[in-house]
Amino acid sequence: QSVLTQPPSASGTPGQRVTISCSGGSSNIGSQTVNWYQQLPGTAPKMLNNNHYQRPSGVPDRFSVSKSGTSATLAISGLQSDDEADYHCGAWDASLNHWVFGGGTKLTVL
Amino acid sequence: QVQLVESGGGLVKPGGSLRLSCVASGFTFSDYYMSWIRQAPGKGLEWVSYINSNGDYTKYADSVKGRFTISRDNAKNSLSLQMNSLRAEDTAVYYCARELGGIDQWGQGTLVTVSS
Repeated sequence: QSVLTQPPSASGTPGQRVTISCSGGSSNIGSQTVNWYQQLPGTAPKMLNNNHYQRPSGVPDRFSVSKSGTSATLAISGLQSDDEADYHCGAWDASLNHWVFGGGTKLTVL
Repeated sequence: QVQLVESGGGLVKPGGSLRLSCVASGFTFSDYYMSWIRQAPGKGLEWVSYINSNGDYTKYADSVKGRFTISRDNAKNSLSLQMNSLRAEDTAVYYCARELGGIDQWGQGTLVTVSS
């Protein structure tokens, strides 16, 4: 059982905008930065945003993140077939004093 | 460029032991906290353990506490995870990971399979 909650799946067609949610609590998302990770099939996760909500070099500006209260959202605009991957949210938990993650969302590009 | 290269995974029987290693390059290893994070087949990410930059503070997930030991050798730019009393539920890909404003760098992972 993951500390953060994500929908198991999401889908969209090329060019569409899709969003993926991540829900947590006051000790993690509510008070800490949320990081999102993209995991292409058979590869390691890759960070999509740092603690200043900036995109690391190489991450397209089609990916954007937002946070409200104890929930966060990853939005992908101009969906491409290359975006088909698993997306994970993660955050530091100030009560547990360690990293926590969501269960991951599998994004399918139809 | 930053590289994290894990090794040491494999097939082990329940109750057995395994030692994972991770060699870092492309950055000043001794400046960073490091973590081990695992992913069971078809599942999400699970943080396992972290160690501070000089190695004198460690923390473990409850699921591995007392069985796993994290350590580092800053002179050799290496991170290790000693895993004892392995269980079927420890089967996963284990990632070595660097912490900087989140987990900003991941190794390619090494597969640990616990099965009789």
